[in-house]
Amino acid sequence: SQQGEEDPQALSIQEGENATMNCSYKTSINNLQWYRQNSGRGLVHLILIRSNEREKHSGRLRVTLDTSKKSSSLLITASRAADTASYFCATDTIRGGGADGLTFGKGTHLIIQP
Amino acid sequence: DTGVSQDPRHKITKRGQNVTFRCDPISEHNRLYWYRQTLGQGPEFLTYFQNEAQLEKSRLLSDRFSAERPKGSFSTLEIQRTEQGDSAMYLCASSLGGTLQETQYFGPGTRLLVL
Repeated sequence: SQQGEEDPQALSIQEGENATMNCSYKTSINNLQWYRQNSGRGLVHLILIRSNEREKHSGRLRVTLDTSKKSSSLLITASRAADTASYFCATDTIRGGGADGLTFGKGTHLIIQP
Repeated sequence: DTGVSQDPRHKITKRGQNVTFRCDPISEHNRLYWYRQTLGQGPEFLTYFQNEAQLEKSRLLSDRFSAERPKGSFSTLEIQRTEQGDSAMYLCASSLGGTLQETQYFGPGTRLLVL
């Protein structure tokens, strides 16, 4: 089953605008990661935020994490046409035995209009 | 290129046939993961290796699926007696493992179509 739920499922904005995507999850986590996937291709890692962190930046990306609400957001500033892709959050849940497979949501499909 | 590689990139097979996929992780990575992704969904975890040991298997991994990582380097995923429901993208990922080294790096995937 998929733990994460991204919101919205689809988002279309004009180039230059900011894009915000949200992710909610159900169980306690070690960390949360965001990935990008261009159509029919593999996933590209964007950013990892640990459960004891609240905000993280990487270039035009800003990620927040609220463990009390079990939610995260990904902000892409000054969007570009090349940002058109599906974005997934993935959680590394706390289970016995250490690191385990990631649990992904269904993704947000982002379209940047030129 | 020192990223994760997968072979083949595409596979078309007939129902009932066996298929095998290969994954070469980033060379110094101890952990290797297999995921399956169907259209419109996020990847779903199948199994993971720490070096050559298979440490976890999802309930999605039926008896027809088997994965190996014999020398702790490359891995193979075999599907026996394929069914149409096996059609999906099969993704491999690797990570260095250990605290502060959890980022998983994905390969380009193998797209399987079962006719």
